[in-house]
Amino acid sequence: DAKTTQPNSMESNEEEPVHLPCNHSTISGTDYIHWYRQLPSQGPEYVIHGLTSNVNNRMASLAIAEDRKSSTLILHRATLRDAAVYYCILRDAPSASGYALNFGKGTSLLVTP
Amino acid sequence: DAGVTQSPTHLIKTRGQQVTLRCSPKSGHDTVSWYQQALGQGPQFIFQYYEEEERQRGNFPDRFSGHQFPNYSSELNVNALLLGDSALYLCASSAGLAGVETQYFGPGTRLLVL
Repeated sequence: DAKTTQPNSMESNEEEPVHLPCNHSTISGTDYIHWYRQLPSQGPEYVIHGLTSNVNNRMASLAIAEDRKSSTLILHRATLRDAAVYYCILRDAPSASGYALNFGKGTSLLVTP
Repeated sequence: DAGVTQSPTHLIKTRGQQVTLRCSPKSGHDTVSWYQQALGQGPQFIFQYYEEEERQRGNFPDRFSGHQFPNYSSELNVNALLLGDSALYLCASSAGLAGVETQYFGPGTRLLVL
């Protein structure tokens, strides 16, 4: 499986944008880029995913580099509730290489008032 | 609509004992995955069940086994517990094409082995 590299931790001020980077230099052409986050004392929750084009949803935006070797999760206006561990995960096309989510250690985001 | 539910929330066992954890998937989901999360680490995939069969297994010993029932709920069994089995056990449910579908996680069962 292609691996991802994320910073261990990041810090942001409340109500400011946050850019969470992820490097995936060995990504294959059929790998989707998924982001999950895990709030304290909770199970992970889905945030967003994409293949080639940038994606937006109510939670965040995903910016994917043209060569797809890196991506950035963008929280447009961080709140205290966004403090969590953010995981960047690559998933291959259906049935190609299994069904597991391969979590790394993720980025621990601290949001300060 | 209830999300993924897990029981019990907390459990304390001693080495050598056996434990059974339970999971009810989100309504409309037919696939259940189990993950183990040690303190300070990301979740690690144990196995996934679909149509009452184990579809994929991670790098876990045979002491870890599971079952899926016709109503799609699932159990995780761990035999001969070791101190290192102390962790948060997460259940996730999903539906649709594998590889792209979103997995919805429960709150987990925290197991402590003494």
